[in-house]
Amino acid sequence: AQSVTQLGSHVSVSEGALVLLRCNYSSSVPPYLFWYVQYPNQGLQLLLKYTSAATLVKGINGFEAEFKKSETSFHLTKPSAHMSDAAEYFCAVSLLGSARQLTFGSGTQLTVLP
Amino acid sequence: EPEVTQTPSHQVTQMGQEVILRCVPISNHLYFYWYRQILGQKVEFLVSFYNNEISEKSEIFDDQFSVERPDGSNFTLKIRSTKLEDSAMYFCASGRTGAGETQYFGPGTRLLVL
Repeated sequence: AQSVTQLGSHVSVSEGALVLLRCNYSSSVPPYLFWYVQYPNQGLQLLLKYTSAATLVKGINGFEAEFKKSETSFHLTKPSAHMSDAAEYFCAVSLLGSARQLTFGSGTQLTVLP
Repeated sequence: EPEVTQTPSHQVTQMGQEVILRCVPISNHLYFYWYRQILGQKVEFLVSFYNNEISEKSEIFDDQFSVERPDGSNFTLKIRSTKLEDSAMYFCASGRTGAGETQYFGPGTRLLVL
């Protein structure tokens, strides 16, 4: 079975500061990993995904994430936060083979302070 | 850019009533999904659908739930006899292929059962 843990349900950063949102996964087989963002009253939008190619994945809006197998982590970072980054961020995992369902973490609400 | 659409955006119903939530997936996608998010909780997988049949379902997806692709464009989720605990945001998603491929999410239907 797969699972995802997101440390920190709420993260606040100042505008221009580094954004770091943490995600750890549990999986018995190599996973696919995703970060989605949800703006208020909207659906989930894909930021980036890891599918066993490069371990450093670049996504939209300046976000990137690094897959670290030894740490079972897939943390999301952005060098400089913008006010428009305020949203809820979800890490998700799916597995090779027939299990196409996404298993989501509990989400991290990012607040960007002026 | 093509997107997944869902109707209605909000629905209020009485306990015990049947509801049908509608989704129009992206047109060349082959895999379809329903997820739900109870307020304050994780996004949870309900069911996946491929080649006109259910390919996976979670333990949440019991006999009161059903899915259908009645024509070439719509994908519906029916809840036969709603319960208070069915109150949630329901997301439809679609993908071109299976595991590892991006799932594109609709904006959701907020269901409130009274």
